[in-house]
Amino acid sequence: DVKVTQSSRYLVKRTGEKVFLECVQDMDHENMFWYRQDPGLGLRLIYFSYDVKMKEKGDIPEGYSVSREKKERFSLILESASTNQTSMYLCASSEDPGQETQYFGPGTRLLVL
Amino acid sequence: GNSVTQMEGPVTLSEEAFLTINCTYTATGYPSLFWYVQYPGEGLQLLLKATKADDKGSNKGFEATYRKETTSFHLEKGSVQVSDSAVYFCALDSNYQLIWGAGTKLIIKP
Repeated sequence: DVKVTQSSRYLVKRTGEKVFLECVQDMDHENMFWYRQDPGLGLRLIYFSYDVKMKEKGDIPEGYSVSREKKERFSLILESASTNQTSMYLCASSEDPGQETQYFGPGTRLLVL
Repeated sequence: GNSVTQMEGPVTLSEEAFLTINCTYTATGYPSLFWYVQYPGEGLQLLLKATKADDKGSNKGFEATYRKETTSFHLEKGSVQVSDSAVYFCALDSNYQLIWGAGTKLIIKP
């Protein structure tokens, strides 16, 4: 079974803090994704990566950066957290970027005070 | 651009009722279509998919048919259970990314 794990289920941070969200997959997938999930908005893609050290902006990259130093790990960084970044963050991986299934982690619920 | 529209929720049904969750899409070409489900406290998981027109995806008693003429991919189940309570997302494959609907929360009462 594919397993995607995220470093925290819940996080509380203060405005201005630097926040790291970690995601690890164990299936040697090439592709990894970071989304945020907000009520009524569905999932919005923040960044994705097709390979190690490679990253592409999604629909809402502002205020975020990512790092992929190893194939199995994809990190999302909030350089200076703001209250409008309070959300559920979902990491996913897939073997191919297109028609193949994306496998999701359980999510990290981030509250920025 | 490509987009997915789902019916707003929450949808509340009694156990053993018939379920339809509507999904329509706008896309160039013929993208693959997906339904994902998110059970409480869990990550999303693929429920079913269809890769070409008139294909029917099915899983766990759920079905959806890729209708090119109506640009729809409605999710149906003949008899829902309390355990089907979850949020359901429709999505399409666009330029090697997934475009997501807003999600429909389904509540099944015993």
